[in-house]
Amino acid sequence: NAGVTQTPKFQVLKTGQSMTLQCAQDMNHEYMSWYRQDPGMGLRLIHYSVGAGITDQGEVPNGYNVSRSTTEDFPLRLLSAAPSQTSVYFCASTLSRGGGYTFGSGTRLTVV
Amino acid sequence: GNSVTQMEGPVTLSEEAFLTINCTYTATGYPSLFWYVQYPGEGLQLLLKATKADDKGSNKGFEATYRKETTSFHLEKGSVQVSDSAVYFCALSKGGSQGNLIFGKGTKLSVKP
Repeated sequence: NAGVTQTPKFQVLKTGQSMTLQCAQDMNHEYMSWYRQDPGMGLRLIHYSVGAGITDQGEVPNGYNVSRSTTEDFPLRLLSAAPSQTSVYFCASTLSRGGGYTFGSGTRLTVV
Repeated sequence: GNSVTQMEGPVTLSEEAFLTINCTYTATGYPSLFWYVQYPGEGLQLLLKATKADDKGSNKGFEATYRKETTSFHLEKGSVQVSDSAVYFCALSKGGSQGNLIFGKGTKLSVKP
């Protein structure tokens, strides 16, 4: 099915470990974004990309890296996990940024 | 800066009750406005949108009208069902170089039979 695919769905990390959250879309969307969702905070933008090879920081970028080598993939890397990064992470994509985004089903990350 | 404010939840209603979830925004110019819905354990789904003043977005019995004069985009439904229980997010996007979504904090709706 066309859409945004995120893996893994659940992950537990120890403080200081690194990992990559995967995001792939098959809709040929240029724009992709990563959000984190925390209770009472809504969704906050971490990083975004307006096309292959182009990325930029959002509202809460510290502790995260991204790259966009292809149109389809937009992985999010946690460099050294901290308990404050415990959250649900969503990847989203859109063809036109004035239009609606398609969201993945999320990755629930716990850092202990 | 750009921001979205929506009513605090949770909101608990009986089946067939009327629903209103208030949303107001702060932005320069003419942003696009959205309502997203998140069912338990799932990602966000676009519910409806409006791209210019006085536009009405509608889907699945939900409606919202883009009111430039009051900077509002309130979500309404005439008769809610148990299956409408979810978290609802209001969001804006200015398109172009400022096209990232800016979300409100979400309103949890519970509908009782």
